[in-house]
Amino acid sequence: DQQVKQNSPSLSVQEGRISILNCDYTNSMFDYFLWYKKYPAEGPTFLISISSIKDKNEDGRFTVFLNKSAKHLSLHIVPSQPGDSAVYFCAASAGSARQLTFGSGTQLTVLP
Amino acid sequence: SQTIHQWPATLVQPVGSPLSLECTVEGTSNPNLYWYRQAAGRGLQLLFYSVGIGQISSEVPQNLSASRPQDRQFILSSKKLLLSDSGFYLCAWSAQDRDTQYFGPGTRLTVL
Repeated sequence: DQQVKQNSPSLSVQEGRISILNCDYTNSMFDYFLWYKKYPAEGPTFLISISSIKDKNEDGRFTVFLNKSAKHLSLHIVPSQPGDSAVYFCAASAGSARQLTFGSGTQLTVLP
Repeated sequence: SQTIHQWPATLVQPVGSPLSLECTVEGTSNPNLYWYRQAAGRGLQLLFYSVGIGQISSEVPQNLSASRPQDRQFILSSKKLLLSDSGFYLCAWSAQDRDTQYFGPGTRLTVL
């Protein structure tokens, strides 16, 4: 049973436009959510996070939105740049060791 | 600042051979440590996590084991590799009271 789902395996966006990556979760015990960016053959890089007590967190071009009632979060990238092309993973945290449960990832391609 | 190292970067091993992957963290004390595997085209699967020296929790029963002989050292091992052990192995750390995990560069393991 996938507790964190990224239903879009890929997304293509024109440079300068907005990229919206989506993530859904089923476990209501999750209380912290993170987005990671991953290039091929490299480890994931932490991008941005949000606590369940908030519904929005912004850091430069990246904004994460959390809708707890819908168990849905999204990452907005504005404006999108070719260097943003990578696989984006959402992750959710719960448990005593603060384990992360990852989605399957979305490949974002920003076209010049 | 904190740094996480993994080695080797790539490894090609025959079926039935042993495995030892090493991960070390610098610049922090008493971190939580994690081993993940990313199979081709898949998300990140948590294999083991550790909240302290000698304390290992296994998430997925399999052909692998983990050990934490020192505070900032985490080792992934196998006595006999299987073809299905091929994948991209990632080590990560987090502070004891924080959710954000920081990943190493990864090891690409190919079992032939």
